[in-house]
Amino acid sequence: DAGVIQSPRHEVTEMGQEVTLRCKPISGHNSLFWYRQTMMRGLELLIYFNNNVPIDDSGMPEDRFSAKMPNASFSTLKIQPSEPRDSAVYFCASSLNPGGLFFGEGSRLTVL
Amino acid sequence: EDKVVQSPLSLVVHEGDTVTLNCSCEVTNFRSLLWYKQEKKAPTFLFMLTSSGIEKKSGRLSSILDKKELFSILNITATQTGDSAIYLCAVLTSYGKLTFGQGTILTVHP
Repeated sequence: DAGVIQSPRHEVTEMGQEVTLRCKPISGHNSLFWYRQTMMRGLELLIYFNNNVPIDDSGMPEDRFSAKMPNASFSTLKIQPSEPRDSAVYFCASSLNPGGLFFGEGSRLTVL
Repeated sequence: EDKVVQSPLSLVVHEGDTVTLNCSCEVTNFRSLLWYKQEKKAPTFLFMLTSSGIEKKSGRLSSILDKKELFSILNITATQTGDSAIYLCAVLTSYGKLTFGQGTILTVHP
């Protein structure tokens, strides 16, 4: 079983550039979550989807962040324009609600 | 706003010691409490607790939930250096939202 697949694993970009992070959840899972992890703030929930529908996006920091889930096997998190304070590890996770969450390996974003 | 508070934030012990990690929550529509272990990469699932007073056990790790107080502990007995990690507690609501605490950084010295 492939697990949750995220790409890219590492991204280094300059301030102002658009960043797109991608996620393929575990097949059959019906919930997908995007988290951001930093030393200062820990693991923060940005948005989660249930059956491809966004349920709660209250954790999305501001309008520069957007997320989509066009189908059950794919989701994107986009930051436009990126800023240095967006530097973090972004995790995607999926679950068969109400089961445990399974995480991808994360995308480490550095914005210079 | 859902809130998960873990304590202590960090802990340093020697191999063989027993540790207890704490997690308390303030949440509406509580469904379950989950524990994760995070080493170098992504968090890995340890336990999911839904009912009060029933201990979940996996090797040297065990956990129990007080559903009335929304409080849980994670015990690790006879700690080993490989137990060094961040231990994360999370609460799952009936809407499917999973909120994490800040984590406890455990360091086990040989």
